[in-house]
Parts: sequence; C-alpha cells; structure tokens
Amino acid sequence: DAGVIQSPRHEVTEMGQEVTLRCKPISGHDYLFWYRQTMMRGLELLIYFNNNVPIDDSGMPEDRFSAKMPNASFSTLKIQPSEPRDSAVYFCASSSVKGIGYFGPGTRLTVT
Amino acid sequence: GQQVMQIPQYQHVQEGEDFTTYCNSSTTLSNIQWYKQRPGGHPVFLIQLVKSGEVKKQKRLTFQFGEAKKNSSLHITATQTTDVGTYFCAGGYGNKLVFGAGTILRVKS
Repeated sequence: DAGVIQSPRHEVTEMGQEVTLRCKPISGHDYLFWYRQTMMRGLELLIYFNNNVPIDDSGMPEDRFSAKMPNASFSTLKIQPSEPRDSAVYFCASSSVKGIGYFGPGTRLTVT
Repeated sequence: GQQVMQIPQYQHVQEGEDFTTYCNSSTTLSNIQWYKQRPGGHPVFLIQLVKSGEVKKQKRLTFQFGEAKKNSSLHITATQTTDVGTYFCAGGYGNKLVFGAGTILRVKS
C-alpha cells in the first residue's frame, strides 16, 4: 500500500486566493482526519470523518475552512479566502477501527 | 474540552543519558498512542496502550499507561543520536485523537 497520499506537497499562494488540499487515505480505512501543525499551536485536529461522514468539525477555525469527503478514497480541505495566518503544514491521516493513525507526508502551505 | 498536556517541551541530553516525556489528560482516555516526528517529516505511530496500568517495551523505549487511564509516559534508555525528533502522545477519546504539544528531543554526541 502506498500509504496516505497528499497533494500538493507545497503550496504558495497570495492572500485572498482559494486553496484546496487533497488527500487519499489508505484503502479500507474508515476514518480520515485533517490536522494542522504550527510552531505556536502544535498539532491541531481540524475535522474527522467516519465512512465519509463528518463527525467532529469543532476544530475548524473559521467558516473560511471547509472539508469534504465525497467517497472513501478522496477528501479535500479548502480555504477560501486564504490569509497569512493560515500558513502551516496540513496533515491528513487515516485509520481503521483500531484507531492507529497513519499520516500522510503533509502539505506545507505558505500564504503571502 | 478534551486536552492532553505534555511535558517537558524540550529536552537536550548527552548521548547515553535517559529521557522521559509525560502526558496527562483531565478526563479518562480510551487509549493513548505515541508518535515520533523527525524534523521535516510526519508523525509516525510508535505504540498504542489500551489497558489500565499497561507497560510495553520496544527495545530501549518503555511506555506506560496510568492506572486511572489519564496519564502516560515514554522513557528512552541510553539515548542515541537516532532518537532525535519530537515525541507526541495522542489521547484517544473514542476514535478521536487529541495530540499533546510534543517533546522535542535533542541528543548531543
């Protein structure tokens, strides 16, 4: 298995632009998580899905952030409009019912 | 809300010295997991503890889960330069994982 796949690996964009991050979880995993990592705030859980249904989005910072999971093999995290304070590394992780998290390589987002 | 506190924030040790990081949750956990993140990398799963008072070992690493399932520790014996990185605990609240702030380990050779 290729593991969790994220794209792009790096994204540089200007303030106000829309950003879309993509994730392909490990096949057969029922849970998908989006995390954001910064030096100041550490690793924050933004939202997680179970069987493609959002379960807990309490970590989504603002309405500018949205996440979807249209099927079991694909999820997106969208920021519209982006702001400099959104600059971070965004990780996608998936797990089976056993709950062990397998992380993707992350997307490093820089908003100028 | 659910929160996991982890200390210390940083630890610099001389190669060969021991290292310990601690995690504490205000509420009972269903499980606790430990991850390691190398600089520039992503968190990699190390171990999961589920039972009250559980102790697991992986070579030089010893993991403990408290009797009340609210705290945990990771102890590394005789650190090596390959141990450098950030060690995170993650508290399991059902299927939701909440990460501690992590402990950055630096090893001086």
